Amino acid sequence: GAVVSQHPSWVICKSGTSVKIECRSLDFQATTMFWYRQFPKQSLMLMATSNEGSKATYEQGVEKDKFLINHASLTLSTLTVTSAHPEDSSFYICSASGGARGQPQHFGDGTRLSIL
Amino acid sequence: QKEVEQNSGPLSVPEGAIASLNCTYSDRGSQSFFWYRQYSGKSPELIMFIYSNGDKEDGRFTAQLNKASQYVSLLIRDSQPSDSATYLCAVNNGNNDMRFGAGTRLTVKP
Repeated sequence: GAVVSQHPSWVICKSGTSVKIECRSLDFQATTMFWYRQFPKQSLMLMATSNEGSKATYEQGVEKDKFLINHASLTLSTLTVTSAHPEDSSFYICSASGGARGQPQHFGDGTRLSIL
Repeated sequence: QKEVEQNSGPLSVPEGAIASLNCTYSDRGSQSFFWYRQYSGKSPELIMFIYSNGDKEDGRFTAQLNKASQYVSLLIRDSQPSDSATYLCAVNNGNNDMRFGAGTRLTVKP
């Protein structure tokens, strides 16, 4: 149980393109979803936390207008990287957590984004 | 002081040995504790969780929690080369606020 599907796995696109990444909880209702970014050989960096039906809470230093997060249902959250540039190239990972407090986060497989 | 601290390693153990990974946390109100394994280029996967003081065993893995000392550890018995990965300690304060350590890189040498 507790499967999180993230799509796409790889994206290569030109600078200036907007890219949408989907995160779905397949067998549980995810009241909270999280978006992380990870650069090579570095630790996970939390970008934002989203609760279903509410606006996302962004971590300090993360641009809200650059990284648009939508959590419209209990099973789907999307991250859109708008007007992506080479410095946005990274490994983006979503995770989801069910309703009970203290429950673990379950991670998707991640999306490797390369901006040329 | 970081909220969740881990020794970055690398920790190197021979195959068949016990690997001991340690983690300390600063929020005394923390209630749930998790260990994730992350292979290079992959996303983290949950391997253990513990909520109460003491030991919790699952196969070759044992999680140990000491809330008084704000310390949680992971023991891996009979370490295998396939255990080579980065191990992330995560602590949840009960409000769905989970903080991750930077991870300890473990290498198991054949």
